[in-house]
Amino acid sequence: QVQLQESGPGLVKPSETLSLTCSVSGGSFSTYSWSWVRQPPGKGLEWIGYMDYSGNINYNPSLKSRVTISVDTSKNQFFLSLTSVTAADTAVYYCVRQWKYWGQGTLVTVSS
Amino acid sequence: EIVLTQSPGTLSLSPGERVTLSCRASQSISRSYVAWYQQKLGQAPRLLIFAASSRATGIPDRFSGSGSGTDFTLTISRLEPEDSAVYYCQQYVGSPFTFGPGTKVDIK
Repeated sequence: QVQLQESGPGLVKPSETLSLTCSVSGGSFSTYSWSWVRQPPGKGLEWIGYMDYSGNINYNPSLKSRVTISVDTSKNQFFLSLTSVTAADTAVYYCVRQWKYWGQGTLVTVSS
Repeated sequence: EIVLTQSPGTLSLSPGERVTLSCRASQSISRSYVAWYQQKLGQAPRLLIFAASSRATGIPDRFSGSGSGTDFTLTISRLEPEDSAVYYCQQYVGSPFTFGPGTKVDIK
């Protein structure tokens, strides 16, 4: 059974960097596409970025200057880094495999 | 950017009723890259439909998808109490991948 688990700080200060890890168990890592999606409290879904099975990475242009997605296939982990955060980056962050498997999400609050 | 518009915004229906949710794209998109999700309160989205009309594994057959071009539809043939949720459409053919704003379905 495929399971995705996001982890990282629940509170980040404004102007700092948000860093999240998605740990994957129960399935192959390198033959699927992976995405990060976020959802501000009470709002809709926003795609952040995507890595396909070939390792090609695509970012949402609205976040591109601040986002980095990377992967460590040896550890079955997928990473998100978002720099210079503001209160507008407060959201539940999800990692997603092939649009079918979603992590439970982790709430990140940006506040001093 | 492909903008997705969903209608109606909110529905309140009784169990057993049939419901049709609409998703309209700002430009024509390939059926192969249209998905529908169900999100219950406090939970992650769940994939219901991919490629516009293919049900994901384990999804009851009362859920069906259709459409092409700019107009796509999710139909729930017979509402069950557990179908109370927000439903999102998504396109993942063109970057940025985008989601619709969602349709909230309440069960009376």
